[in-house]
Amino acid sequence: ETGVTQTPRHLVMGMTNKKSLKCEQHLGHNAMYWYKQSAKKPLELMFVYNFKEQTENNSVPSRFSPECPNSSHLFLHLHTLQPEDSALYLCASSQEVAGSSYEQYFGPGTRLTVT
Amino acid sequence: GQNIDQPTEMTATEGAIVQINCTYQTSGFNGLFWYQQHAGEAPTFLSYNVLDGLEEKGRFSSFLSRSKGYSYLLLKELQMKDSASYLCAASDSNYQLIWGAGTKLIIKP
Repeated sequence: ETGVTQTPRHLVMGMTNKKSLKCEQHLGHNAMYWYKQSAKKPLELMFVYNFKEQTENNSVPSRFSPECPNSSHLFLHLHTLQPEDSALYLCASSQEVAGSSYEQYFGPGTRLTVT
Repeated sequence: GQNIDQPTEMTATEGAIVQINCTYQTSGFNGLFWYQQHAGEAPTFLSYNVLDGLEEKGRFSSFLSRSKGYSYLLLKELQMKDSASYLCAASDSNYQLIWGAGTKLIIKP
């Protein structure tokens, strides 16, 4: 247990469905992240929230929509996805300190399959 | 551009030593992380190097050479449970992590 939980663990959805991924961190951290992990590819950073403010959006298609209602919860809303969006979606959190690198704590991920 | 290179897969024998290499090219540099990820599980933090040299932590050690843009993770006395993917990530000038694709380590009895 890393202190970061994600639900659901597995999700199969059609291209016209709307679903949401949920992440919760119990570590008191001030930053949360969404990553996409595809087989044999580097982790792709999708979104970063720091103190609930979105600070990074790495050219992610608008069919992915993040929401951060507070510093402990992070959502990823999905709609009209494509088959190439099938991947493992990882949530992470960290305690950001200005001028420092910091360890990230990851959740177990949601395995998403788009049919 | 920014880039991290590490071998795709390595095989080693239980009880032996293995070294996993990582080279990086980033815009600025604020340290090098190693993570372990077992199949179907979350990546977990192993080590962080920001200064040149070797950091030892039990059976695992991590080395950094900033001038060469090079790091390695050394695993000693390998155990079957060490079978996993090992992810290298460099922190750039904005403290954003640039990730490698991971090295899958297979341990054989």
